[in-house]
Amino acid sequence: QKEVEQNSGPLSVPEGAIASLNCTYSDRGSQSFFWYRQYSGKSPELIMSIYSNGDKEDGRFTAQLNKASQYVSLLIRDSQPSDSATYLCAGGGKLIFGQGTELSVKP
Amino acid sequence: ETGVTQSPTHLIKTRGQQVTLRCSSQSGHNTVSWYQQALGQGPQFIFQYYREEENGRGNFPPRFSGLQFPNYSSELNVNALELDDSALYLCASSFRTGHYEQYFGPGTRLTVT
Repeated sequence: QKEVEQNSGPLSVPEGAIASLNCTYSDRGSQSFFWYRQYSGKSPELIMSIYSNGDKEDGRFTAQLNKASQYVSLLIRDSQPSDSATYLCAGGGKLIFGQGTELSVKP
Repeated sequence: ETGVTQSPTHLIKTRGQQVTLRCSSQSGHNTVSWYQQALGQGPQFIFQYYREEENGRGNFPPRFSGLQFPNYSSELNVNALELDDSALYLCASSFRTGHYEQYFGPGTRLTVT
């Protein structure tokens, strides 16, 4: 069974720090990975997609993919209280999601 | 550009009843996927529709069924509702099937009593 796993957290970081979110997956055939942000009571919002090994940067967000280790990560630089949310890692064409990591950024 | 829309926002049904949820895809997108998200969990894939045909199905029983229309909008139907069907139902659209980015609608919160 294809799986995506994340630490459920909560992960707490001070404002201005780097938040590091991690994800592992079981399906070596997965070609695409996505990070979604979900605020409480809202739907998931796509923040990053990554298809190739290495890093992809977009503003304060950097996604990292290591297919050999079956590992995906998301770094959030200069974390803000507004980044406090659950971050969902997903892979594949029919998205398989992890259970999400709750991030709390303290002022 | 219009985003993904879903209706209704909230719904309360009784066990054994049937429900229909609706989704309009983002402009330019021809693929719609449905997901169920229980409280505190990640979304689970129900099925995907591409060109009005089912294009993959997750581990959900046949009482979960769907349709896609020529304008790419979609419906999710659930028969014989059970208490465990209480969840947030999410629709996502993408440019086409395959490894494309999926964009979610606001969801429908279904409560079964």
